[in-house]
Amino acid sequence: DAGVIQSPRHEVTEMGQEVTLRCKPISGHNSLFWYRQTMMRGLELLIYFNNNVPIDDSGMPEDRFSAKMPNASFSTLKIQPSEPRDSAVYFCASSSTGGVGGYTFGSGTRLTVV
Amino acid sequence: GESVGLHLPTLSVQEGDNSIINCAYSNSASDYFIWYKQESGKGPQFIIDIRSNMDKRQGQRVTVLLNKTVKHLSLQIAATQPGDSAVYFCAERFSGSARQLTFGSGTQLTVLP
Repeated sequence: DAGVIQSPRHEVTEMGQEVTLRCKPISGHNSLFWYRQTMMRGLELLIYFNNNVPIDDSGMPEDRFSAKMPNASFSTLKIQPSEPRDSAVYFCASSSTGGVGGYTFGSGTRLTVV
Repeated sequence: GESVGLHLPTLSVQEGDNSIINCAYSNSASDYFIWYKQESGKGPQFIIDIRSNMDKRQGQRVTVLLNKTVKHLSLQIAATQPGDSAVYFCAERFSGSARQLTFGSGTQLTVLP
């Protein structure tokens, strides 16, 4: 099992540019979560999907952020336009029904917006 | 101006000693708790979990204790090793919140040689 796979590992972009982060959850997991981690606010849940359907996006900071899950094996988090305050590590995690055993996290994407 | 970030609690222990990391959780309705370990440059990694109908659970070198009366969770690491140096997070799941976990701010554990 390759675990949760995120790409890219690092992204440096200029303010105003569009950024797309990608995630492949563990096969068979039906819940997928996007988290953002910063020194200021720690780990924040942005959005989560169950069976490819967005369930709670109340953590998405503003309309510049959007997330999709077109199928069970792929999700994207898009920021358009990006701003310096979006700089953070973005984690994707997946879990199976009930979440027993917790989430399995990917290695994260470190985003720097200059 | 000076930036203000999360001031992570820190714990330094000598190699071979036992470590105890504490966490106060927020919701008395939480029914499931997990400890995660996050090493530098990596995602959080599951260590051990406990349901609210238990007060203690043991794993390999780790024990989690749950005190629902005071909403307190602790992680005990026996014979701490250099590889245990990391940030440790507790997470709670509110009953009825399906699969959502809420994470604490974390504790930085440093193992001294």
